[in-house]
Amino acid sequence: SQQGEEDPQALSIQEGENATMNCSYKTSINNLQWYRQNSGRGLVHLILIRSNEREKHSGRLRVTLDTSKKSSSLLITASRAADTASYFCATDRLKESGGGADGLTFGKGTHLIIQP
Amino acid sequence: NAGVMQNPRHLVRRRGQEARLRCSPMKGHSHVYWYRQLPEEGLKFMVYLQKENIIDESGMPKERFSAEFPKEGPSILRIQQVVRGDSAAYFCASSTRHEKLFFGSGTQLSVL
Repeated sequence: SQQGEEDPQALSIQEGENATMNCSYKTSINNLQWYRQNSGRGLVHLILIRSNEREKHSGRLRVTLDTSKKSSSLLITASRAADTASYFCATDRLKESGGGADGLTFGKGTHLIIQP
Repeated sequence: NAGVMQNPRHLVRRRGQEARLRCSPMKGHSHVYWYRQLPEEGLKFMVYLQKENIIDESGMPKERFSAEFPKEGPSILRIQQVVRGDSAAYFCASSTRHEKLFFGSGTQLSVL
C-alpha cells in the first residue's frame, strides 16, 4: 500500500452530522496536510499539522495526529451540502539524509457526500 | 494576487503528438510541483522544480516526459509522442517552501 491511505474510500452522511476520515502512512514525516478537491477542480489546502503536534482546529475542522500509530483523522463537524468533495491527506516525508523533502505524497482520498 | 494559473484547461492530442502544459506559479513562489491524477485516484507526484533547477524528478517516467522552470516565464511539462495511457489530469502546484501547496485548476489531457 502507498504512503497516505485514506479510509473510508467513500462516506455518505446526512447534513448536520459529523464526518470522520482517517489516514495512515508508513514513513516518518515532517508534517501531514489535508486537502479538499471538488469535482474537476484543483486541490485546496485545509489544514497542516506538524509531527510534534497532536491536535489542531480550524473552524469546523479538527485534525489529530498519532505518530506512534502513523495515523491522522479529519473531523468535519455540522456538515453542510457544500462539504461534498474528495478529501486527501498528504505527507511531507522526512528524508533520512535530512536534506529536505521531495514533493508531498497523496493518498487516494475519501469521497464525502453530504445528503440534504 | 492571482492564483496558480494552468493552461490550457483542456488539451486534446492524437497519439504520437507532443503535449505542452504550462503553469504560472503564484507571485513570490519559487517552488513548482507537477502531479498527475487518474480518475478516482489520488495525485501522483511527478517532479519538483525551482527556478532553472530540477530538484526531484523521481516521479517522472524515464522517457518522453520532461519539465522545466526557466528564469523567465512559466513552468512547462512536456510530453513527447503521447500515448493513450498519458490521458489524465495534470496539476501544478506552487509554494514558498515545502508546506502548504497552492494548486492550479489542472489541465485535462485527452489522447485520441
